[in-house]
Amino acid sequence: EAQVTQNPRYLITVTGKKLTVTCSQNMNHEYMSWYRQDPGLGLRQIYYSMNVEVTDKGDVPEGYKVSRKEKRNFPLILESPSPNQTSLYFCASSTSVLHNEQFFGPGTRLTVL
Amino acid sequence: EDQVTQSPEALRLQEGESSSLNCSYTVSGLRGLFWYRQDPGKGPEFLFTLYSAGEEKEKERLKATLTKKESFLHITAPKPEDSATYLCAVQADSGSARQLTFGSGTQLTVLP
Repeated sequence: EAQVTQNPRYLITVTGKKLTVTCSQNMNHEYMSWYRQDPGLGLRQIYYSMNVEVTDKGDVPEGYKVSRKEKRNFPLILESPSPNQTSLYFCASSTSVLHNEQFFGPGTRLTVL
Repeated sequence: EDQVTQSPEALRLQEGESSSLNCSYTVSGLRGLFWYRQDPGKGPEFLFTLYSAGEEKEKERLKATLTKKESFLHITAPKPEDSATYLCAVQADSGSARQLTFGSGTQLTVLP
């Protein structure tokens, strides 16, 4: 089954404790991205990757890091989480930036205390 | 800066009562406009891509249309299972053509 998976699905942590949210897709997609979704603000892109070893900032990259060492995986790293990073996070992938019908993962709900 | 505005924010319909959702956009050259459906607690699910003014796409009770300034998602004879939040997004035809800009969505409730 074609899918985007994220782990963990739910996470409660404390300020400053480094964490990683994993994202994996099995569709051989080139393009992957991370979004956060907040009430009233909609989906905002954090980082994207057009292919292996190619990443770039989206609209709200501060406080986040990503890496793309393999085509299927695109982890999101929060080196020192803060309460304003409490949000619902989605990973997405698509065939390419030119055919950008994105397939979304199930989401990770993060709470930073 | 690319902008997407969706209206109304929320819409309640009776089963069978047709209506339309609006997505107005400002973008420096449109590469594509996308419609997604999002159920509570789930990731958005892709519905349609529209590339040029005048284009239309249909899927079951949904029909998406595009003009140079806006897109409409027409829902014909909706059923309760059509209840969801519908998201619109645009991709600019800029040099990097990199990202989707999303609207805040229309929350649709269809009552039996």
